[in-house]
Amino acid sequence: AQSVAQPEDQVKVAEGNPLTVKCTYSVSGNPYLFWYVQYPNRGLQFLLKYITGDNLVKGSYGFEAEFNKSQTSFHLKKPSALVSDSALYFCAADNTNAGKSTFGDGTTLTVKP
Amino acid sequence: DTGVSQNPRHKITKRGQNVTFRCDPISEHNRLYWYRQTLGQGPEFLTYFQNEAQLEKSRLLSDRFSAERPKGSFSTLEIQRTEQGDSAMYLCASSSAGGASEQYFGPGTRLTVT
Repeated sequence: AQSVAQPEDQVKVAEGNPLTVKCTYSVSGNPYLFWYVQYPNRGLQFLLKYITGDNLVKGSYGFEAEFNKSQTSFHLKKPSALVSDSALYFCAADNTNAGKSTFGDGTTLTVKP
Repeated sequence: DTGVSQNPRHKITKRGQNVTFRCDPISEHNRLYWYRQTLGQGPEFLTYFQNEAQLEKSRLLSDRFSAERPKGSFSTLEIQRTEQGDSAMYLCASSSAGGASEQYFGPGTRLTVT
C-alpha cells in the first residue's frame, strides 16, 4: 500500500529566509510525486511534480522540490519565503499501477514578516 | 474553462437523510476523483472514474456511498442514510489520464450531519 508522511505539522520561517517542507513516501515501483497548496477557503492547487529525469524539479511561485530515491523523500523548498506563501501544503504520491494519489496529512507553513 | 466546480458548497442535513453532491470537471479531462477531507487530515481517496467507468472504490467506503459519472461528464456522489461521522469536506478533482497527471481540485462541498 502507498503511504506519504509529512513529519512536521507546522513550519515557521521569517520572510526572506529559505524554507523546507518535508515529505517521505512509500510507493512500490517508480513513484510519481506531487506537491499541492491549499489557501484558506480555496481548493487545492497543483505546485509541481516529479515523474522522471532531473531530481530537482521547479514549479509555480518559485517553489522547487528535490527527489531523493535512496531516502524516499521529496522535500519542497524555496530560496526566499514570502508572507503570501503562508498556507497548507500537501505532498502526494502515485505510481503507474495505482492511478490515484495518496496524500500526506499536510504541513501548515507560516511566514512571518 | 472555469475549472472544476462543485455543488452545493455547503450542505446541512439530519442524520438518516440522503444527500447528493455534483461535480463538473474540466471538460477535456477524462479522469475524475472523489476524496473526503476532515480537519487536520489530507484528502482521503474515495473513488475514481476513467470516462464513465468507475475503476476503483476505496475499501473504506461503505455501501451507503455511491458515485456515478454518466456519459463521462459530470459526476454525482450520493450518501444514503447519513451518519454524523460522514461530516467532512468532499472534494472532487479531475485530470488527464494516467497517474503522472496532476489533479485539479474543486472548492469542495462541506457536509454537516446533525
